[in-house]
Amino acid sequence: SAVISQKPSRDICQRGTSLTIQCQVDSQVTMMFWYRQQPGQSLTLIATANQGSEATYESGFVIDKFPISRPNLTFSTLTVSNMSPEDSSIYLCSVKRDLSYGYTFGSGTRLTVV
Amino acid sequence: GQQVMQIPQYQHVQEGEDFTTYCNSSTTLSNIQWYKQRPGGHPVFLIQLVKSGEVKKQKRLTFQFGEAKKNSSLHITATQTTDVGTYFCAGPGRGSTLGRLYFGRGTQLTVWP
Repeated sequence: SAVISQKPSRDICQRGTSLTIQCQVDSQVTMMFWYRQQPGQSLTLIATANQGSEATYESGFVIDKFPISRPNLTFSTLTVSNMSPEDSSIYLCSVKRDLSYGYTFGSGTRLTVV
Repeated sequence: GQQVMQIPQYQHVQEGEDFTTYCNSSTTLSNIQWYKQRPGGHPVFLIQLVKSGEVKKQKRLTFQFGEAKKNSSLHITATQTTDVGTYFCAGPGRGSTLGRLYFGRGTQLTVWP
Protein backbone atom coordinates (compact mmCIF):
# COMPACT_ATOMS: atom_id res chain seq x y z
CA SER A 1 0.00 0.00 0.00
CA ALA A 2 0.99 3.65 -0.34
CA VAL A 3 2.63 5.62 2.44
CA ILE A 4 1.22 9.07 3.15
CA SER A 5 2.81 11.81 5.18
CA GLN A 6 0.27 14.32 6.44
CA LYS A 7 0.97 17.49 8.34
CA PRO A 8 0.39 19.19 10.61
CA SER A 9 -0.83 16.44 12.92
CA ARG A 10 -2.78 18.94 14.98
CA ASP A 11 -3.30 22.65 15.34
CA ILE A 12 -5.27 25.15 17.36
CA CYS A 13 -6.34 28.14 15.31
CA GLN A 14 -8.14 31.39 15.86
CA ARG A 15 -11.47 31.88 14.19
CA GLY A 16 -11.28 33.82 10.95
CA THR A 17 -7.86 32.46 10.04
CA SER A 18 -6.93 29.76 7.53
CA LEU A 19 -4.97 26.54 7.84
CA THR A 20 -3.31 24.60 5.05
CA ILE A 21 -2.91 20.85 5.42
CA GLN A 22 -0.37 18.98 3.33
CA CYS A 23 -0.25 15.38 2.15
CA GLN A 24 2.74 13.78 0.48
CA VAL A 25 2.46 10.30 -1.04
CA ASP A 26 5.43 8.01 -1.62
CA SER A 27 4.32 7.19 -5.17
CA GLN A 28 2.32 8.74 -7.98
CA VAL A 29 -1.44 8.46 -7.73
CA THR A 30 -4.12 9.78 -10.03
CA MET A 31 -6.65 10.82 -7.42
CA MET A 32 -6.28 12.03 -3.88
CA PHE A 33 -9.23 12.41 -1.57
CA TRP A 34 -9.89 14.71 1.34
CA TYR A 35 -12.20 13.67 4.17
CA ARG A 36 -13.53 15.32 7.30
CA GLN A 37 -14.33 13.37 10.45
CA GLN A 38 -16.11 15.19 13.22
CA PRO A 39 -15.68 13.79 16.73
CA GLY A 40 -17.32 10.40 17.08
CA GLN A 41 -18.66 10.54 13.54
CA SER A 42 -18.01 8.83 10.24
CA LEU A 43 -15.83 10.09 7.43
CA THR A 44 -17.36 12.57 5.03
CA LEU A 45 -15.77 13.08 1.65
CA ILE A 46 -14.97 16.74 1.01
CA ALA A 47 -13.45 16.60 -2.44
CA THR A 48 -11.40 14.67 -4.95
CA ALA A 49 -8.12 16.27 -5.99
CA ASN A 50 -6.99 15.56 -9.54
CA GLN A 51 -3.65 16.62 -10.90
CA GLY A 52 -3.96 19.19 -13.66
CA SER A 53 -7.60 20.02 -13.11
CA GLU A 54 -9.83 21.60 -10.54
CA ALA A 55 -10.88 19.54 -7.56
CA THR A 56 -14.34 17.98 -7.55
CA TYR A 57 -16.34 18.89 -4.45
CA GLU A 58 -19.08 16.91 -2.77
CA SER A 59 -22.43 18.40 -1.96
CA GLY A 60 -22.14 20.83 0.93
CA PHE A 61 -18.51 21.71 0.33
CA VAL A 62 -17.31 24.64 -1.76
CA ILE A 63 -14.02 25.73 -3.20
CA ASP A 64 -14.00 29.11 -1.48
CA LYS A 65 -14.11 27.42 1.91
CA PHE A 66 -11.88 24.43 1.12
CA PRO A 67 -9.50 25.33 -1.70
CA ILE A 68 -7.37 22.41 -2.84
CA SER A 69 -4.15 22.31 -4.75
CA ARG A 70 -2.69 19.33 -6.60
CA PRO A 71 0.53 20.50 -8.22
CA ASN A 72 1.80 16.98 -9.03
CA LEU A 73 0.92 13.31 -8.69
CA THR A 74 2.40 12.89 -5.21
CA PHE A 75 1.27 15.99 -3.35
CA SER A 76 -1.89 17.86 -2.39
CA THR A 77 -2.97 20.54 0.03
CA LEU A 78 -6.33 21.36 1.57
CA THR A 79 -6.92 24.80 3.04
CA VAL A 80 -9.65 25.41 5.59
CA SER A 81 -10.49 29.08 5.11
CA ASN A 82 -12.05 31.68 7.36
CA MET A 83 -12.38 29.12 10.12
CA SER A 84 -15.12 28.95 12.71
CA PRO A 85 -15.49 26.59 15.69
CA GLU A 86 -17.74 24.41 13.52
CA ASP A 87 -14.69 23.55 11.43
CA SER A 88 -13.11 21.82 14.41
CA SER A 89 -12.63 18.31 13.13
CA ILE A 90 -10.12 15.76 11.92
CA TYR A 91 -9.12 16.16 8.29
CA LEU A 92 -7.69 13.18 6.43
CA CYS A 93 -6.25 12.67 3.00
CA SER A 94 -6.49 9.35 1.24
CA VAL A 95 -5.32 7.58 -1.88
CA LYS A 96 -5.99 4.32 -3.67
CA ARG A 97 -3.12 2.89 -5.63
CA ASP A 98 -4.04 -0.71 -6.37
CA LEU A 99 -7.30 -2.12 -7.67
CA SER A 100 -7.09 -5.06 -5.32
CA TYR A 101 -6.27 -3.02 -2.24
CA GLY A 102 -8.26 -0.47 -0.32
CA TYR A 103 -7.62 3.14 0.40
CA THR A 104 -4.69 4.34 2.46
CA PHE A 105 -5.15 7.26 4.81
CA GLY A 106 -2.83 9.86 6.17
CA SER A 107 -2.55 10.05 9.93
CA GLY A 108 -4.94 13.00 10.01
CA THR A 109 -4.89 16.62 11.12
CA ARG A 110 -6.77 17.36 14.31
CA LEU A 111 -7.99 20.94 14.03
CA THR A 112 -9.43 22.96 16.88
CA VAL A 113 -10.80 26.42 16.16
CA VAL A 114 -11.16 28.76 19.11
CA GLY B 1 -23.09 10.29 -3.11
CA GLN B 2 -23.44 6.61 -2.42
CA GLN B 3 -25.25 5.89 0.86
CA VAL B 4 -24.19 2.97 2.98
CA MET B 5 -26.09 2.26 6.19
CA GLN B 6 -24.40 0.50 9.08
CA ILE B 7 -25.70 -0.91 12.35
CA PRO B 8 -25.37 -0.97 15.27
CA GLN B 9 -23.74 2.34 16.07
CA TYR B 10 -22.30 1.06 19.35
CA GLN B 11 -21.58 -2.38 20.71
CA HIS B 12 -20.26 -3.22 24.14
CA VAL B 13 -19.15 -6.79 24.74
CA GLN B 14 -17.25 -8.72 27.34
CA GLU B 15 -13.96 -10.18 26.23
CA GLY B 16 -14.57 -13.56 24.66
CA GLU B 17 -18.00 -12.70 23.32
CA ASP B 18 -18.71 -12.45 19.62
CA PHE B 19 -19.43 -9.24 17.72
CA THR B 20 -21.16 -8.51 14.43
CA THR B 21 -21.70 -5.31 12.47
CA TYR B 22 -23.95 -5.04 9.44
CA CYS B 23 -23.79 -2.87 6.38
CA ASN B 24 -26.53 -2.23 3.84
CA SER B 25 -26.76 -0.33 0.58
CA SER B 26 -29.85 0.60 -1.42
CA THR B 27 -27.96 -0.02 -4.64
CA THR B 28 -25.75 -2.83 -5.87
CA LEU B 29 -22.12 -2.34 -4.97
CA SER B 30 -19.22 -3.29 -7.19
CA ASN B 31 -17.30 -4.04 -4.02
CA ILE B 32 -17.40 -3.32 -0.33
CA GLN B 33 -14.48 -2.48 1.90
CA TRP B 34 -13.99 -2.68 5.63
CA TYR B 35 -11.80 -0.44 7.74
CA LYS B 36 -10.82 -0.31 11.39
CA GLN B 37 -10.07 2.89 13.24
CA ARG B 38 -8.47 2.62 16.64
CA PRO B 39 -9.21 5.40 19.14
CA GLY B 40 -7.13 8.43 18.15
CA GLY B 41 -5.99 6.76 14.95
CA HIS B 42 -6.86 6.85 11.30
CA PRO B 43 -8.84 4.27 9.29
CA VAL B 44 -6.86 1.22 8.28
CA PHE B 45 -7.95 -1.02 5.43
CA LEU B 46 -8.96 -4.53 6.46
CA ILE B 47 -10.41 -6.20 3.41
CA GLN B 48 -12.23 -5.78 0.12
CA LEU B 49 -15.04 -8.08 -1.04
CA VAL B 50 -15.91 -8.18 -4.71
CA LYS B 51 -17.87 -11.32 -5.55
CA SER B 52 -21.51 -12.06 -4.81
CA GLY B 53 -21.76 -14.29 -1.73
CA GLU B 54 -18.06 -13.95 -1.01
CA VAL B 55 -16.78 -14.93 2.43
CA LYS B 56 -13.29 -14.08 3.62
CA LYS B 57 -11.58 -14.75 6.90
CA GLN B 58 -8.76 -13.05 8.70
CA LYS B 59 -8.02 -15.02 11.85
CA ARG B 60 -11.02 -14.32 14.12
CA LEU B 61 -12.65 -11.93 11.63
CA THR B 62 -15.15 -13.18 9.05
CA PHE B 63 -16.39 -10.91 6.28
CA GLN B 64 -19.38 -11.65 4.08
CA PHE B 65 -20.77 -10.02 0.97
CA GLY B 66 -24.42 -10.66 0.21
CA GLU B 67 -25.68 -12.50 -2.84
CA ALA B 68 -27.26 -9.34 -4.19
CA LYS B 69 -24.11 -7.35 -3.41
CA LYS B 70 -26.13 -4.90 -1.36
CA ASN B 71 -25.19 -5.96 2.14
CA SER B 72 -22.20 -7.12 4.07
CA SER B 73 -21.23 -8.13 7.57
CA LEU B 74 -18.17 -8.37 9.74
CA HIS B 75 -18.16 -10.96 12.51
CA ILE B 76 -15.49 -11.19 15.19
CA THR B 77 -15.29 -14.42 17.14
CA ALA B 78 -14.17 -14.33 20.77
CA THR B 79 -13.36 -10.65 20.97
CA GLN B 80 -10.18 -9.42 22.59
CA THR B 81 -9.32 -6.03 24.02
CA THR B 82 -7.16 -5.43 20.95
CA ASP B 83 -10.34 -5.45 18.85
CA VAL B 84 -11.45 -2.15 20.37
CA GLY B 85 -12.13 0.53 17.78
CA THR B 86 -14.62 1.67 15.20
CA TYR B 87 -15.34 -0.58 12.24
CA PHE B 88 -16.47 1.07 9.04
CA CYS B 89 -17.84 -0.40 5.87
CA ALA B 90 -17.43 1.66 2.73
CA GLY B 91 -18.78 1.47 -0.78
CA PRO B 92 -17.39 2.94 -3.98
CA GLY B 93 -19.14 5.57 -6.02
CA ARG B 94 -20.69 4.86 -9.41
CA GLY B 95 -20.88 6.78 -12.64
CA SER B 96 -19.80 10.37 -12.08
CA THR B 97 -18.57 9.50 -8.58
CA LEU B 98 -16.49 6.54 -9.70
CA GLY B 99 -13.27 6.24 -7.75
CA ARG B 100 -14.64 7.84 -4.61
CA LEU B 101 -15.36 5.94 -1.42
CA TYR B 102 -18.35 6.53 0.84
CA PHE B 103 -18.37 5.35 4.43
CA GLY B 104 -21.07 3.97 6.66
CA ARG B 105 -21.46 5.61 10.06
CA GLY B 106 -19.37 2.92 11.72
CA THR B 107 -19.82 0.61 14.69
CA GLN B 108 -17.86 1.53 17.76
CA LEU B 109 -16.78 -1.62 19.60
CA THR B 110 -15.91 -1.58 23.28
CA VAL B 111 -14.52 -4.72 24.86
CA TRP B 112 -14.56 -5.17 28.61
CA PRO B 113 -11.80 -7.35 30.03
